[in-house]
Amino acid sequence: SQKIEQNSEALNIQEGKTATLTCNYTNYSPAYLQWYRQDPGRGPVFLLLIRENEKEKRKERLKVTFDTTLKQSLFHITASQPADSATYLCALLRGYQKVTFGIGTKLQVIP
Amino acid sequence: KAGVTQTPRYLIKTRGQQVTLSCSPISGHRSVSWYQQTPGQGLQFLFEYFSETQRNKGNFPGRFSGRQFSNSRSEMNVSTLELGDSALYLCASSSDGSGQNSPLHFGNGTRLTVT
Repeated sequence: SQKIEQNSEALNIQEGKTATLTCNYTNYSPAYLQWYRQDPGRGPVFLLLIRENEKEKRKERLKVTFDTTLKQSLFHITASQPADSATYLCALLRGYQKVTFGIGTKLQVIP
Repeated sequence: KAGVTQTPRYLIKTRGQQVTLSCSPISGHRSVSWYQQTPGQGLQFLFEYFSETQRNKGNFPGRFSGRQFSNSRSEMNVSTLELGDSALYLCASSSDGSGQNSPLHFGNGTRLTVT
């Protein structure tokens, strides 16, 4: 069955450093991979989408890579700020199949 | 544009009862999907509706059902509630369905507690 793993349940990082979150998947060939941010008590908010034929996508301080050979996506936040503290979810999909989410990584940026 | 609206925000029900949750998608969005979120399992897909038709279904028992109306608003029903149904239920809408080329826009969820 399809499986998504996100690295560690929590990641603590010092303010100003680059945070790197990992999303690994098995038994799946997604055409699209998305990253969402979720704050406590709120629904996830879309951040970035990357397609299987794209290696990298950037948006302001955010960068996502997608390696279909390694079956892995990396999500980077450069110059991290305390306001970036949240849970980050990766999601995989292909065509109009159901979207499959990872369990998320909780990021804590320490001032 | 107004975001995705879910009502109610909180619900407390007793085992054996049934519950109906409501979701109003972003105007113009025809796809609505539902997710159950629990601390141990994360976001689990329930079902997706597109133009009033259920297009995808997750691995949940038949006690979980849904429907979509002609105005794209959607409802989700859970019958014969069990303690394990306690969770945050999230609704998401998108324009082309399942986030293929457009992202999912989530509401803030309905927190269901079954006692």
